[in-house]
Amino acid sequence: QVQLVESGGGVVQPGMSLRLSCVASGFTFTNYGMHWVRQAPGKGLEWVAVIWYDGSQEFYADSMKGRFTISRDNSANTVYLQINTLRAEDTAVYYCARDLYGTNIWGDYWGQGTLVTVSS
Amino acid sequence: QSVLTQPPSVSAAPGQKVTISCSGSSSNIGGHYVSWYQQLPGASPKLLIYDSNQRPSGIPDRFFGSKSGTSATLGITGLQTGDEADYYCATWDGSLSAVVFGGGTKLTV
Repeated sequence: QVQLVESGGGVVQPGMSLRLSCVASGFTFTNYGMHWVRQAPGKGLEWVAVIWYDGSQEFYADSMKGRFTISRDNSANTVYLQINTLRAEDTAVYYCARDLYGTNIWGDYWGQGTLVTVSS
Repeated sequence: QSVLTQPPSVSAAPGQKVTISCSGSSSNIGGHYVSWYQQLPGASPKLLIYDSNQRPSGIPDRFFGSKSGTSATLGITGLQTGDEADYYCATWDGSLSAVVFGGGTKLTV
């Protein structure tokens, strides 16, 4: 069965860095682009970034450019999100979701999310 | 302020029909397909509609989507209390080279 499992969240101090991971299983990872989407407490969904199935392209929300980096390791069926210089407003649940290459079908599977809390 | 505009809330009685609008522009909805997601309390989002009007397998035909110009609509018929959730539209924005979401609509049944 398809599974996406995020990890790496926790409580971090402002200014620190964090790398989130999303491990995929149950499907051919190299057929899918991967997204990160976040949700601040009590707020709506906010798209963060996407990486192509082969890692050849990345796109970011304007507000994420510069501090966020998405990457993937297809040998490990894993997508990563590096967040630098964390701010209080980065506090959110971070979800990964898959995107079938060549179609408009994305987000048919999501992970359970990993909570990042930025606080001193 | 979200790029796509949704009403903050809608409500209807069980068994009735409701529609949720999503308004954008020529750079997003006007030129790209729309997806709709349902998020039940405490859960991860779930894909309801892709390609503006297609349902993934397992999604009942009570849920339907449409698009016209720079607006999209999600409709739900035969409302059930289990449909109470937040609903989000999303699409690609060619000017931003980014996915954009609506602010979400809370459905009360």
